[in-house]
Amino acid sequence: DAGVIQSPRHEVTEMGQEVTLRCKPISGHNSLFWYRQTMMRGLELLIYFNNNVPIDDSGMPEDRFSAKMPNASFSTLKIQPSEPRDSAVYFCASSLGVLEQFFGPGTRLTVL
Amino acid sequence: AQSVTQLDSHVSVSEGTPVLLRCNYSSSYSPSLFWYVQHPNKGLQLLLKYTSAATLVKGINGFEAEFKKSETSFHLTKPSAHMSDAAEYFCVVSSGNTPLVFGKGTRLSVIA
Repeated sequence: DAGVIQSPRHEVTEMGQEVTLRCKPISGHNSLFWYRQTMMRGLELLIYFNNNVPIDDSGMPEDRFSAKMPNASFSTLKIQPSEPRDSAVYFCASSLGVLEQFFGPGTRLTVL
Repeated sequence: AQSVTQLDSHVSVSEGTPVLLRCNYSSSYSPSLFWYVQHPNKGLQLLLKYTSAATLVKGINGFEAEFKKSETSFHLTKPSAHMSDAAEYFCVVSSGNTPLVFGKGTRLSVIA
């Protein structure tokens, strides 16, 4: 099992540009979570899906952020336009149900 | 509502001495409790979990935790610290079908 796969691992972009982060969950898992981690705020849940349907997006900071899960094996988190305060490590996690989440290695985003 | 409080933001121990990372939880229902570990520049890895079975839970790398309902605690221990244990540790609570609620983390330093 390859685990949760995230791409890219590192992203450096300029303010105003669109950023797309990608996640492939573990096969057979039916829940997918997007988190953001910063030194100031720690680990924050942005959104989670169950059976490809968004269940709770109350953690999404603002309209610049959007997430999709078109099928059981792929999800994207998009930021448009990006701002320097979006710089963080973004984690994707998957689980069967909502317990025992398995985390990907993260995407380190730097917005200049 | 549920929450988790990690009582120490930073713990420093000498190699070979015991480790104690403290966690208190609050939950309206019978909780599931977890400890995750995050090594520098890595994703989060599940150390151990409690889901209403035995109150003393053994995890990977010699760690264990004891669920104490009367004290609403789930402290993480290890008899003898190793240099490779230096990392960030997160106590996590969940109830039923709610997503995981993470504590703010405890950074463990191990001194040679």
